[in-house]
Amino acid sequence: DTGVSQDPRHKITKRGQNVTFRCDPISEHNRLYWYRQTLGQGPEFLTYFQNEAQLEKSRLLSDRFSAERPKGSFSTLEIQRTEQGDSAMYLCASSLALQGGGTDTQYFGPGTRLTVL
Amino acid sequence: GQNIDQPTEMTATEGAIVQINCTYQTSGFNGLFWYQQHAGEAPTFLSYNVLDGLEEKGRFSSFLSRSKGYSYLLLKELQMKDSASYLCALRGGYQKVTFGIGTKLQVIP
Repeated sequence: DTGVSQDPRHKITKRGQNVTFRCDPISEHNRLYWYRQTLGQGPEFLTYFQNEAQLEKSRLLSDRFSAERPKGSFSTLEIQRTEQGDSAMYLCASSLALQGGGTDTQYFGPGTRLTVL
Repeated sequence: GQNIDQPTEMTATEGAIVQINCTYQTSGFNGLFWYQQHAGEAPTFLSYNVLDGLEEKGRFSSFLSRSKGYSYLLLKELQMKDSASYLCALRGGYQKVTFGIGTKLQVIP
């Protein structure tokens, strides 16, 4: 199965520490998205990439959050100086955008569950 | 901006039909998705509507009315494994997709 993968699946950290998550999209997909989801809520958009370019970033995303996709393949999401409010499931999704348009369906990875103590 | 409304919880009986509604307001529209999410798992794609009308896919169908800002997901012949949250998601003017809070469906025997 060559679906979207994320690492680690679980991360427990102390407040104030930095954490980094990795996402490997489906290999031919050119778009990659990061979402955050808390209990009882839908996924909340954080940012997305088309190839290596970061094209949109949520206004809700503080300066402590940064994402990269250096070679247009895997992506990393870093949270600096973590806070308890950062505790959530961090989801990555990828999609294939065709030049002619059409359906651009996002396929999700299993997520990284972050707990900040 | 975008606003999505869907019921938070629903209960239905195994073997029955259930309709989950979603209403939305948006300044730009490029399609509406439905995803299924079991507890503790990632969302999985169910359907995508960009034109008005009904899209049928096995036991699942999705309907869209752009003029009314309305969609529904119809699940037929309900099975216990259909107990999950169903997320309505809107693609606006750009590629960003905004998700509703999800409707938690409980299927009972």
